[in-house]
Amino acid sequence: DAGITQSPRYKITETGRQVTLMCHQTWSHSYMFWYRQDLGHGLRLIYYSAAADITDKGEVPDGYVVSRSKTENFPLTLESATRSQTSVYFCASSTLAGGSGSYNEQFFGPGTRLTVL
Amino acid sequence: RKEVEQDPGPFNVPEGATVAFNCTYSNSASQSFFWYRQDCRKEPKLLMSVYSSGNEDGRFTAQLNRASQYISLLIRDSKLSDSATYLCVVSGGGADGLTFGKGTHLIIQP
Repeated sequence: DAGITQSPRYKITETGRQVTLMCHQTWSHSYMFWYRQDLGHGLRLIYYSAAADITDKGEVPDGYVVSRSKTENFPLTLESATRSQTSVYFCASSTLAGGSGSYNEQFFGPGTRLTVL
Repeated sequence: RKEVEQDPGPFNVPEGATVAFNCTYSNSASQSFFWYRQDCRKEPKLLMSVYSSGNEDGRFTAQLNRASQYISLLIRDSKLSDSATYLCVVSGGGADGLTFGKGTHLIIQP
């Protein structure tokens, strides 16, 4: 089915473990984003990517690594998970609105609920 | 840091009433504006884009005031199904995505 999917939907891990969250979109959108959502903070941008092999840091990148070897995939890796990374993670994709530099709407995946013990 | 501010609520509103939310943003260079809806434990979904001339979609009306740097959302004849968190979203005009407000929680009561 077309759309944006995330896996796993739920993950429990232990402090210090490496965890990779997957994101896949079928629209061939050039832009992809990773957000985390926590109570009291709203959605915060972790990393984004403008195209394959182009990634950049967002507001809260520390402790996370991303890659984008293919347009449709944008995995997020927690190299050594910490309790403070317990959160809901959303992946999103978008196109850029022409030459204005502004964005069209972002489409979100269903989210991954990550618990770090 | 670019900021988007919203009243977190909750707004408790009787069914059938009209309710309005405002949102202020700090980046005067912002070019794109949206209202998203988020249901509990679900992903945010676009409710409507906000255009300079204002726009309406059924019971929902959005307006933008660039001079005062705020956007508004009006919901008429509210339904129980309108209960959700409404996120104000602003584009900074750069390549770093959108800035999300923390959301306004709306509860429609029967």
